[in-house]
Amino acid sequence: DAGVIQSPRHEVTEMGQEVTLRCKPISGHDYLFWYRQTMMRGLELLIYFNNNVPIDDSGMPEDRFSAKMPNASFSTLKIQPSEPRDSAVYFCASSLWLAGDTGELFFGEGSRLTVL
Amino acid sequence: AQKITQTQPGMFVQEKEAVTLDCTYDTSDPSYGLFWYKQPSSGEMIFLIYQGSYDQQNATEGRYSLNFQKARKSANLVISASQLGDSAMYFCAMRRGAAAGNKLTFGGGTRVLVKP
Repeated sequence: DAGVIQSPRHEVTEMGQEVTLRCKPISGHDYLFWYRQTMMRGLELLIYFNNNVPIDDSGMPEDRFSAKMPNASFSTLKIQPSEPRDSAVYFCASSLWLAGDTGELFFGEGSRLTVL
Repeated sequence: AQKITQTQPGMFVQEKEAVTLDCTYDTSDPSYGLFWYKQPSSGEMIFLIYQGSYDQQNATEGRYSLNFQKARKSANLVISASQLGDSAMYFCAMRRGAAAGNKLTFGGGTRVLVKP
């Protein structure tokens, strides 16, 4: 089975440009998480969805960030306009939460974003 | 607010020896789950082990075991017989229960370097 698929794997862009990161979760999973990883701040939860509905976006840094999940097989994280401090690795992860199950997260390989 | 603390930023361990990675957590939820993930230098996040708050026994998965002390709110990871391939970042994470939205947050991580 295919795992969580993220694209692009690497993105280099200039300050002020719009960046869109994409994620395809594992089929059948009902939770989708977006994390950002930096040396300074570690792994930060940005937003997560349950059955395509945003549950908690309190980790989204500011209005420049937005995330959508139009259907169960696709999610996007958009940054507009991008700034150098947005440079990080962005991970998408999905999970299936069943009572009595671990519900562990399955991570994509990450999208490394560099904003010049 | 829920919090995960890993107090050891980095540590060395001799090959074939055991190592304990500390993790403490803070939550008022009665139901929660604790996870450990490994992140090698290649960057992917690998699920290692899970402990549910109601589990009576400590979780074990091969060379990994979780020393769960609920009253102390600690969930330390023990890696036995360390191998060179165990060199990586290790993250502790906590998932809140269904009533609290299944939010999963990570600690700051511990970098382990296994010496031959």
